[in-house]
Amino acid sequence: NAGVTQTPKFQVLKTGQSMTLQCAQDMNHNSMYWYRQDPGMGLRLIYYSASEGTTDKGEVPNGYNVSRLNKREFSLRLESAAPSQTSVYFCASRSGRALGSYEQYFGPGTRLTVT
Amino acid sequence: AQSVTQLGSHVSVSEGALVLLRCNYSSSVPPYLFWYVQYPNQGLQLLLKYTSAATLVKGINGFEAEFKKSETSFHLTKPSAHMSDAAEYFCAVSEANAGNMLTFGGGTRLMVKP
Repeated sequence: NAGVTQTPKFQVLKTGQSMTLQCAQDMNHNSMYWYRQDPGMGLRLIYYSASEGTTDKGEVPNGYNVSRLNKREFSLRLESAAPSQTSVYFCASRSGRALGSYEQYFGPGTRLTVT
Repeated sequence: AQSVTQLGSHVSVSEGALVLLRCNYSSSVPPYLFWYVQYPNQGLQLLLKYTSAATLVKGINGFEAEFKKSETSFHLTKPSAHMSDAAEYFCAVSEANAGNMLTFGGGTRLMVKP
C-alpha cells in the first residue's frame, strides 16, 4: 500500500497562475482532507470531503476549490495564485466511521511557492 | 469550538534526558486526542491517540501521554531522549459532533543535543 500520495512535491508559481494539487489514497477511506502548514500555525483545514460526492469548507477555504473525483482522489485547485498561498500543503484521509477516534493518515506534502 | 495550545514552540533537551511536550485543549465534549510527529520534509505520522479508554496511552518510539481531564491536558513524554527524536510534534483534538475534524496546535520543535 502506498497510503496517501501527492503530486507534485514542489511547485513554483507566479502570481495569478493556476494549478491543481493531486491527492490519492489506496486505503479505501471515505473521508479526505486538505490542509496548509505555515510556521507557528500548525495545520489549518482548507476543505474536506466526508464521503464521495460531498465537499465542505474548512477554516481557510478562500482562494481554493476542491474536487472529489472518486473515492480515491481529492484534488485542490488554486485558480489565481497569490503570495499568501505560499505554504506546504498536506492531503490526509480517514476511514470515516462515525467515531471521532479514527486517526487521519497524511501524504508527504507539496511545497508551493508563489512569487 | 475546540482549540489546542502547545506551550513552547521550541524545546531543547540533552540526549538521555526526559522529554516533556505540553498540550492543553478546550472542548465542549469528551475529546479524542492525538500526537503526531513530523520529521524534516515529511508528512505527519501518528505517535499515539487517546480514545476514552486508558488515560495513560503508550505510542511508538517509547513515547507516552497522559490524559488529565481536570487539567484539560494531554502532555507527551519520553523518559530518555534520542538524537533521532529531533522533529516537530503536533497535538490535535477531534470531536465526534464536529464532523470529526482535527484541530491542531501550533507545533513544538524538539531539538536534542549530544
